[in-house]
Amino acid sequence: DTGVSQDPRHKITKRGQNVTFRCDPISEHNRLYWYRQTLGQGPEFLTYFQNEAQLEKSRLLSDRFSAERPKGSFSTLEIQRTEQGDSAMYLCASSLEPLRTDTQYFGPGTRLTVL
Amino acid sequence: KQEVTQIPAALSVPEGENLVLNCSFTDSAIYNLQWFRQDPGKGLTSLLLIQSSQREQTSGRLNASLDKSSGRSTLYIAASQPGDSATYLCAVETGGGNKLTFGTGTQLKVEL
Repeated sequence: DTGVSQDPRHKITKRGQNVTFRCDPISEHNRLYWYRQTLGQGPEFLTYFQNEAQLEKSRLLSDRFSAERPKGSFSTLEIQRTEQGDSAMYLCASSLEPLRTDTQYFGPGTRLTVL
Repeated sequence: KQEVTQIPAALSVPEGENLVLNCSFTDSAIYNLQWFRQDPGKGLTSLLLIQSSQREQTSGRLNASLDKSSGRSTLYIAASQPGDSATYLCAVETGGGNKLTFGTGTQLKVEL
């Protein structure tokens, strides 16, 4: 399967712990996006990369959140000192730019539960 | 700031019925509008993408229209089936970066 993959699929952690999620995009895609989705809501944009450069960060991305894409391939999203409000589905997507005729391809998501 | 609204929030219909889902957005300066499907606990699957210069797109039993000037889009599903049960999300791309602004979705249930 050559789609977007995310690992882990589920993560349960205690408040105050650090967690890291990984996203592997479709191999030829140079853009990678992170979104967060809480129950009953649509996904909200967090940040995106073009190759290894992080070009935009949402105000939703507090100082406890950091994302990297060191070699322009896979990406990691780390949350430090997790809080119960961080519980959500974290979705990764990728696309090939600058085509605006193509969609973003989403991974299955990582569901985070903070106890 | 772009805001996207979807009506209704939930919809239950008998199998075979034709139905319409609605999406509205506040900033008409969009590059495109997309409709996605999301099954419970899963990621998103793209259904249709309409460029800002287009009026509609069709795929099988699905037809999406776009009226950019009025900030509205509709997704028409013909001859609904139980397998169509899912949450349908509307999203618009505005500004640079290709990031998407999503609505809260319409949860559809098609009953036998």
